[in-house]
Amino acid sequence: AQRVTQPEKLLSVFKGAPVELKCNYSYSGSPELFWYVQYSRQRLQLLLRHISRESIKGFTADLNKGETSFHLKKPFAQEEDSAMYYCALSGHNFNKFYFGSGTKLNVKP
Amino acid sequence: DVKVTQSSRYLVKRTGEKVFLECVQDMDHENMFWYRQDPGLGLRLIYFSYDVKMKEKGDIPEGYSVSREKKERFSLILESASTNQTSMYLCASSQDRKAFFGQGTRLTVV
Repeated sequence: AQRVTQPEKLLSVFKGAPVELKCNYSYSGSPELFWYVQYSRQRLQLLLRHISRESIKGFTADLNKGETSFHLKKPFAQEEDSAMYYCALSGHNFNKFYFGSGTKLNVKP
Repeated sequence: DVKVTQSSRYLVKRTGEKVFLECVQDMDHENMFWYRQDPGLGLRLIYFSYDVKMKEKGDIPEGYSVSREKKERFSLILESASTNQTSMYLCASSQDRKAFFGQGTRLTVV
């Protein structure tokens, strides 16, 4: 069965420090992986997807099929990055999205 | 920009009431979803619909039903609300595997 695991509920870093939000998945096939972000009092929105191989707001994520991971990274965290981050997976039935439990990122000044 | 609109931001209902949560999207998406969002549990899929009158159960459908009579509208129904259904409910629509979310409805069942 499909599963998305985000082991950290809360991650606190200082401004300018590197940040890595972990995501591991299990899926019997080739899924598509996403990161969604929810800023305070805003709706959940797509941050990036692995097939795009792009950097959004300085964040990148690489799909590692061997480790079944899709960690989100940013070399220098900013205060405005403070938000809730969800890793998500879409599988063979591309109609469905499965989400992890979320990691709250707190970037301290 | 895709707009997904949920009819209420906040709702307070009594135990046993029948509750309707409405969601409308304006981009002609075929797929629509209802999730509930709880701290520490993330988003859990209740139901989704891939076309008008077509629906499929998600991971936690018990106590819920849905209706999709028109492509743009997807309704979540709590047949008899219970306190354990107090939660944030998120509606989404998707196209090309990009999901767009509504602002959420915080439902409190007392």
